[in-house]
Amino acid sequence: GQQLNQSPQSMFIQEGEDVSMNCTSSSIFNTWLWYKQDPGEGPVLLIALYKAGELTSNGRLTAQFGITRKDSFLNISASIPSDVGIYFCAGQGQGSNYKLTFGKGTLLTVNP
Amino acid sequence: GAGVSQSPSNKVTEKGKDVELRCDPISGHTALYWYRQSLGQGLEFLIYFQGNSAPDKSGLPSDRFSAERTGGSVSTLTIQRTQQEDSAVYLCASSPARGGDTQYFGPGTRLTVL
Repeated sequence: GQQLNQSPQSMFIQEGEDVSMNCTSSSIFNTWLWYKQDPGEGPVLLIALYKAGELTSNGRLTAQFGITRKDSFLNISASIPSDVGIYFCAGQGQGSNYKLTFGKGTLLTVNP
Repeated sequence: GAGVSQSPSNKVTEKGKDVELRCDPISGHTALYWYRQSLGQGLEFLIYFQGNSAPDKSGLPSDRFSAERTGGSVSTLTIQRTQQEDSAVYLCASSPARGGDTQYFGPGTRLTVL
């Protein structure tokens, strides 16, 4: 089945630093999504990408849908303590209009 | 309520017992999903309900797992004869349409099998 490789697994940064994480897939996706999960909560959608090459921003977050349709990255600029959490990428593949494949997540820790 | 709710929030059970996990989706959402999240892992798709259509059960890991959705609203995930490897957070999501990007997640039920 489809698999997503998400990296890095964890990051420890200082407040104010920029962060980048990415996901790669063994197959083509039609949609890339980035979620954030806080402790004890379900994932919350941050950014959705629908076209190859698409670059989308949401405040300090920027994500891109790779040209090959097999990868995506998420950047967080000027990190703040509340950015702490687990970030997941997810992809929706060809032939499915509802099933998502999730990466294993990137645990972000921000030191104030 | 405004969001997806799940109960219980935590469940501790003994190996071999049956458990039922409940999901109340957002009112009016036609699609409902169950996922399993093991420690350090991403979300694993379990089952998908859409309106009155037959559910997609392709993600259920064994025949000990089953789910139903009554009246197109509340859903129950049942795990029979629980095993220690069933310990995980079980997340429910609902969506107003088929699109995967519009899934709204509940807080999850943390299941611990002793």
